[in-house]
Amino acid sequence: EAGVVQSPRYKIIEKKQPVAFWCNPISGHNTLYWYLQNLGQGPELLIRYENEEAVDDSQLPKDRFSAERLKGVDSTLKIQPAELGDSAVYLCASSPAETGELFFGEGSRLTVL
Amino acid sequence: AQTVTQSQPEMSVQEAETVTLSCTYDTSENNYYLFWYKQPPSRQMILVIRQEAYKQQNATENRFSVNFQKAAKSFSLKISDSQLGDTAMYFCAFARTTTSGTYKYIFGTGTRLKVLA
Repeated sequence: EAGVVQSPRYKIIEKKQPVAFWCNPISGHNTLYWYLQNLGQGPELLIRYENEEAVDDSQLPKDRFSAERLKGVDSTLKIQPAELGDSAVYLCASSPAETGELFFGEGSRLTVL
Repeated sequence: AQTVTQSQPEMSVQEAETVTLSCTYDTSENNYYLFWYKQPPSRQMILVIRQEAYKQQNATENRFSVNFQKAAKSFSLKISDSQLGDTAMYFCAFARTTTSGTYKYIFGTGTRLKVLA
């Protein structure tokens, strides 16, 4: 069974440029999460989807961040424009309804110069 | 609001020895779940062990076991017979179910464990 797939693994951009991250969750997992992980810290929730509905986006900085999950499968997280402080690892995770266990992707490491 | 505290930023243990990682949490909920996740260097995070708050019996998964003290809001992880492959960041996490049945997580800041040969 394929795991959670994220791309790109690494991205380096200049500040004020846009960037997008893509996530393909495990088939059948209706819940999808985007987390921000700073170096040496635990993951912090950005947004949580149940199918295609964003049910918790209270910590998503909506002035520059946006996300979508069309058809309740793949998801894209976008930052426009990026700031220096956005340098971090962006983790995607999916979860089956039965157990709530999180299955993480390898993450997308963003460096903003 | 729930909080999760891991007071040990770094720990080390000799191979084959036993180590305990500490975690405390704060919540007013009565029904919740606790997890330990492991993040090896440059690899994705995976579940180590899970505990339901309504269960008094401590969860065990092979060499990994927990000491769940609900009244004290403590949830420590014991790793027995430590192996080099246990070297990783370990995150304690609290989760509660939402009205729709999905889980909302809060993670601690992590403990970096190094197993020494």
